[in-house]
This record gives sequence, structure tokens and C-alpha cells, in this order.
Amino acid sequence: SQTIHQWPATLVQPVGSPLSLECTVEGTSNPNLYWYRQAAGRGLQLLFYSVGIGQISSEVPQNLSASRPQDRQFILSSKKLLLSDSGFYLCAWSGDYLFTGELFFGEGSRLTVL
Amino acid sequence: DQQVKQNSPSLSVQEGRISILNCDYTNSMFDYFLWYKKYPAEGPTFLISISSIKDKNEDGRFTVFLNKSAKHLSLHIVPSQPGDSAVYFCAVITSGTYKYIFGTGTRLKVLA
Repeated sequence: SQTIHQWPATLVQPVGSPLSLECTVEGTSNPNLYWYRQAAGRGLQLLFYSVGIGQISSEVPQNLSASRPQDRQFILSSKKLLLSDSGFYLCAWSGDYLFTGELFFGEGSRLTVL
Repeated sequence: DQQVKQNSPSLSVQEGRISILNCDYTNSMFDYFLWYKKYPAEGPTFLISISSIKDKNEDGRFTVFLNKSAKHLSLHIVPSQPGDSAVYFCAVITSGTYKYIFGTGTRLKVLA
């Protein structure tokens, strides 16, 4: 069966510090990978998605970036965090379906920028 | 520009009664629709989905209805249970693309 893991689960970082959140998927190959953010009291905002190694699509302008160095690994990074980067970050995957299918989420990473 | 709206931020329902959560979308190109349930500090879990070729899909206590002409979908939970208390998100996507777009969520509280 397929599983998705992301870490760290909780992170407290000062403004201006770097960020690295990592996500891996097991039990499937060539997944589509996603990063979403849930800010306090808001919905799920799509940040990045990737349909293959090295292929990254960015949805919102921000100081975050994403990379996909391996088929089942997706990394969210920042060189200098802002207060507004605080939130709950979620990694997700979907299969390479002939017809559209479900999106499956990891456990989430809580980022607090102070 | 909010393409997917859940206009009720919260909903309270008595245990055993029906919960109805609503979602409106703007783009008629969306053709696959999903509902997710989310507990605090956890990732959302998939509940039920429907494609645009159907107007109803049922799975146990959960039923999703799609009204394409009104660009509206709803999730019915019957009977509601205290364990159903969570935030519910609707999501939409156009087949052949990769962008799942989520609504802002509705917090459901089922009262015992």
C-alpha cells in the first residue's frame, strides 16, 4: 500500500532563517506531488505541484521554492523566512491516473515563524 | 479570485440528524469533485468523490450531490455522529490537469 510521510512535524524558526520541509512517498512510482499551506482560519492554498523529477509548477508568488530531486521525494524550501510563512504545510500525492483520482495527504508540518 | 467557495464557515447539528455541507464553484471546466475531512493538526482524509457525468454518489452515511447547472455540490451525512466533528473541505479539478483547488472549509460540530 502507498504511504506518504513528511517531516519535521513541528518547526519553530526565527524570521530570516532558512527552511527545509521534506516529503517522501512509498509504494507507488511516478506520483504527482503537491505542497499546500493552510494558514490560520483559511483554506488549503496550493503552493507547488510536480508531475516528474525536476518539474515544478508554482502557483503563488512567494519566497518559497520546491524541488523534486528523486521520483518520490518533494522538498519545500526558503532561504529567508517571513512572519507570513507561518502555517500548516501539507504534502500530497496523486497517481498518474487515466482518469482523475483522489489526492492523498501527509500528516502535515506546523511552521511557526517568530 | 475564489474559484471554490464554502459559504458557511461553521455548522452545528444534533447527533442523529442530517448534516448538509455546501460548496459552490465558478468554472464549468471542473469535472471531478471531492470532499475531505480534516482534524486539527492532521492531514485531510479523503471521504467521497463524484465525476461530472453523475449527479449523485453514495458511500455509507455519506452522499455527494452535484448540480452542474448551478455549479453546486453538497455533502450529506446521515445520521451525523459526534466523531464527524471536523473541518470539511470540498475540492475540484479539471481532468487532464493537475491542480486540485480547495474551498475554505466548513467546521462541523455534531452535538451529542
